Amino acid sequence: DAGITQSPRHKVTETGTPVTLRCHQTENHRYMYWYRQDPGHGLRLIHYSYGVKDTDKGEVSDGYSVSRSKTEDFLLTLESATSSQTSVYFCAISVGGERNIQYFGAGTRLSVL
Amino acid sequence: ELKVEQNPLFLSMQEGKNYTIYCNYSTTSDRLYWYRQDPGKSLESLFVLLSNGAVKQEGRLMASLDTKARLSTLHITAAVHDLSATYFCAPGPYGNKLVFGAGTILRVKS
Repeated sequence: DAGITQSPRHKVTETGTPVTLRCHQTENHRYMYWYRQDPGHGLRLIHYSYGVKDTDKGEVSDGYSVSRSKTEDFLLTLESATSSQTSVYFCAISVGGERNIQYFGAGTRLSVL
Repeated sequence: ELKVEQNPLFLSMQEGKNYTIYCNYSTTSDRLYWYRQDPGKSLESLFVLLSNGAVKQEGRLMASLDTKARLSTLHITAAVHDLSATYFCAPGPYGNKLVFGAGTILRVKS
C-alpha cells in the first residue's frame, strides 16, 4: 500500500452533516490525490495537492474541499454531505521518477443517508 | 475534454480463451498505465507503458501502446479464474494528473 493509510475505512452519515476523510502517507511524497469511484465512471479526480498548502481542483470538485497543512496528511472535507456523495473514496500518492506511478490507499466507503 | 474509453466494459470469458481489452483516449499522451482492482479492494499497478510501441508482459497479460493511434491494448492469453477483476487504463500524466477509463469488469468462468 506504499505507506498510505486512509481513515475512516467506513462511514455512514446523514445528509447535511460535515465529513472529513484523512489520508496519511509515511514517505514524504509531494503529490497526493483524492478520487471517488462510482460504478460506470471509473475513478474521477476530486482534488490534488502538489505540496503543503498547494492544492488544485480536479474533475468533480464541487461540494468538496481539501487541506494539506503537513506533507504527510491530505484531508478531504464534505462541508454538507449529500446523497450524491455516497461513494468509495481513494487517496493516492505519486512517487515521481521516470515511471511516475500512482499508488492507492485502501479506500473509504462513505454512505450518506 | 479528455475522454478515455475502454471496451468492453464487461467481459465474461471461459477459462483457456484469449481476449483483448481496448483503451482509446482522445488527447495525446506519451505513456499509459494499467491497473487491476479486485472486488472491494484498492487499485494495484499492473503496467506502465512509457513510449510509443512499448510492450509489457507479465504472466498471461500483455499490454501495448500505440501513441499515434491513442490506443492501448491489454491482451489476455489462456484466461484463468484468478484473472477475474476490474481493469483500468489511465493515460497521462497530464500536468501530474491521470485520467481513468470506466474500467473493464472481467469474469473468467471455469
